[in-house]
Amino acid sequence: QQQVKQSPQSLIVQKGGISIINCAYENTAFDYFPWYQQFPGKGPALLIAIRPDVSEKKEGRFTISFNKSAKQFSLHIMDSQPGDSATYFCAARYSGNTPLVFGKGTRLSVIA
Amino acid sequence: NAGVMQNPRHLVRRRGQEARLRCSPMKGHSHVYWYRQLPEEGLKFMVYLQKENIIDESGMPKERFSAEFPKEGPSILRIQQVVRGDSAAYFCASSPPTGGNTEAFFGQGTRLTVV
Repeated sequence: QQQVKQSPQSLIVQKGGISIINCAYENTAFDYFPWYQQFPGKGPALLIAIRPDVSEKKEGRFTISFNKSAKQFSLHIMDSQPGDSATYFCAARYSGNTPLVFGKGTRLSVIA
Repeated sequence: NAGVMQNPRHLVRRRGQEARLRCSPMKGHSHVYWYRQLPEEGLKFMVYLQKENIIDESGMPKERFSAEFPKEGPSILRIQQVVRGDSAAYFCASSPPTGGNTEAFFGQGTRLTVV
């Protein structure tokens, strides 16, 4: 049973374009939804996170949109750059210091 | 403030040997999590520990795998009698002891290859 489903598996975007990655979750008890960025050979690094009491959070070129009723959330990368090429993981967690549940990841390639 | 430190970064073991993976959490962090990542896969939770206690080991295989986080020193993930299927990247994350939603910081991982 996959608690967090992520799509697409891979994504190719032109430089300057918008990258959109989607995730859906099953458990309504989740109340923290982070996105992680991972470069080859490195550990995941937190990019941006949201709680279900807000519908959108923006940090620079990165925006999370959250739809609580649909149990979906998405990452938008505006003005995508080649340096954004990496694997992106959505995740979810219950409150407190509970472990993260990850999606399977999206490999983003931004081409010039 | 150093980040989460994992060592070794790369580990090669022959089938049947033991693998020991070490994780030193960030300073002041008392919660440690171990995850396994297979190629082209997401991170799968294995075990969650606090100092001297295993809080949740629901993701860790019952046989051959064990974890500890002693009062002094790093957290250790031990894999006994390794098999080819254990080849993966193993990541450790740590978070501070405060309540509420707190960010988990990841180390660079240990890439285990079983030959």
